[in-house]
Parts: sequence; C-alpha cells; structure tokens
Amino acid sequence: GENVEQHPSTLSVQEGDSAVIKCTYSDSASNYFPWYKQELGKGPQLIIDIRSNVGEKKDQRIAVTLNKTAKHFSLHITETQPEDSAVYFCAARNTNAGKSTFGDGTTLTVKP
Amino acid sequence: DGGITQSPKYLFRKEGQNVTLSCEQNLNHDAMYWYRQDPGQGLRLIYYSQIVNDFQKGDIAEGYSVSREKKESFPLTVTSAQKNPTAFYLCASKPGAVSGNTIYFGEGSWLTVV
Repeated sequence: GENVEQHPSTLSVQEGDSAVIKCTYSDSASNYFPWYKQELGKGPQLIIDIRSNVGEKKDQRIAVTLNKTAKHFSLHITETQPEDSAVYFCAARNTNAGKSTFGDGTTLTVKP
Repeated sequence: DGGITQSPKYLFRKEGQNVTLSCEQNLNHDAMYWYRQDPGQGLRLIYYSQIVNDFQKGDIAEGYSVSREKKESFPLTVTSAQKNPTAFYLCASKPGAVSGNTIYFGEGSWLTVV
C-alpha cells in the first residue's frame, strides 16, 4: 500500500517568513496530492491540491510543487501570518482507488 | 447549508460500553469515511463506504463497526472490544469513490473513556 512521510513534525517561523513542509510517497500510481489545514478542535479543510500532470500550482500565498521522479511534493507558504498557525496534512491518492493516505501532520506556529 | 454533521461533539464512555457516533451529509456524496486522530498524530482510516449497503475495513478497523443503510448516513460504533478508544473521530465524504477528488471533513467528535 501507499506510505506517506511528512517533515518536519513541528515548524516555528516568524511572521512574514516563509514556511516549507515536505512529503514523500511510495506508490508511483498515486496521482493526486492534496494539502489540508486543521485548526484546533476542527476537521481538516482542503487548502490546495495538485495532480501528477502538473509540477507546480499557486494560490495567493500558498504553492505546492511536485517531483514525480523523486516521489515528493512540498507546500510553500509565503509571508506567513499568525492565522496560518495550524496543523497541515499532506495526502496521496491513486484516483482509480477509493482511499487517500495521509502524512502525520506538521504543526506550524507563526510567531508575531 | 450543505455539509457534514457529526454528533455528538463530545462523548464520554464507561469502559465496557458501546457508543455510536453519528455522521450525516447532505452533499449527495457517494463515498464516506471514518478516521481516527490521536493527539499529535495523523489520520488513520477506520472504515470507508463507496456506496450504500457496502463498506470496507480501513487500516484500524478492529473494535469498530459501521453501517451504510442510507446514502447520507454513516454511523460508527465503537465497541467494548476497542481497547484504547479515547481519540478524536473524523467523518468525511467525497462525491464518488473514484471521481471528485476533494475529501470534505466534518467537525469531529471527541470520545473519552472514563
């Protein structure tokens, strides 16, 4: 089955700095890679996703890059703000299969 | 509003008791999922259902049971066989088993064994 590893487990940055979270996956059949943000006591929400036919995708301050050859993908947050503080999860899925595999999460703290 | 409703938000269970967590969605999604989240850890799949009257075990199904009698409902029963049930439980849904990639999550239910 698929195995997703996520690093780092915790990340602390100063407001305005950039934050990068990295994930690796094992199944070359995986072709869809979403990122979720989870605030304390709430369910995760999708913030950005990328398919395997695209190398990079941006949405305002958030970007995701994918390297299919190396089987890794990364979340980049620029100009971080305190409200970006949350737990971020990556996931990988083969869209021909029924379930996603999640990373263990990264707790991001943005210090004002 | 469309979405996924989980209830109750907080639940306390005595050892040896079964409890059922409710999950209802009005998004007309075919696929539904139950995940368990322990403090500081990721999401582990308990059970999932791709269509009404059908479901499959996930990675940690032991001590849990589900049913999918209606498209909009996917209740999870935590049985007394689950030795360490204290956790945050998340229900999720997706438009189709293989279509519609985005998974939508409910707000979660906290279960504590006392």
